Amino acid sequence: EDQVTQSPEALRLQEGESSSLNCSYTVSGLRGLFWYRQDPGKGPEFLFTLYSAGEEKEKERLKATLTKKESFLHITAPKPEDSATYLCALPSGNTPLVFGKGTRLSVIA
Amino acid sequence: SAVISQKPSRDICQRGTSLTIQCQVDSQVTMMFWYRQQPGQSLTLIATANQGSEATYESGFVIDKFPISRPNLTFSTLTVSNMSPEDSSIYLCSARPLDNTGELFFGEGSRLTVL
Repeated sequence: EDQVTQSPEALRLQEGESSSLNCSYTVSGLRGLFWYRQDPGKGPEFLFTLYSAGEEKEKERLKATLTKKESFLHITAPKPEDSATYLCALPSGNTPLVFGKGTRLSVIA
Repeated sequence: SAVISQKPSRDICQRGTSLTIQCQVDSQVTMMFWYRQQPGQSLTLIATANQGSEATYESGFVIDKFPISRPNLTFSTLTVSNMSPEDSSIYLCSARPLDNTGELFFGEGSRLTVL
């Protein structure tokens, strides 16, 4: 069964303190690994898609990377406005996206 | 990208009643889906809303409890029937854009609380 596991569940950082979020996955035939950001009371907002091992994508202070077993979301010099829950997801069978439980990031000024 | 509007954004409902959530997309999309996000949990797919035909439900979800309509390419409804407190959740409408690159876009969600 295809699975997506995210760690840590929660992460608290000081402003400017860089760190990484992990998404481990098992899937038969990867058809993309997707990262989303979700703010409280809102729907998930699409960030990145990665398709093959070694691929990297960047957006402002965020960089997503992919290996054959996991993906990392690196956050460089985070700001309080980066506080959110970050979700990773992948297609599985006929399910368009199966989501992990997310990492709840808090960045303290 | 697509802008997805849902209403209501939140509601408080009595046990045994039903509520219909509406979802409107601002552009044509290939597919529409309904997800549920229970407190502290991940998003779980309820069903695929098929235009002009019956929705395709995931294991654990049935049409009698969650009837879905999609009368055209940009509009869908989800009804939560005979609600119980266990149905308290956020219900999210999502859509796949025409370029079909795999990502989904989501509405803001409808937060239902059942008393």
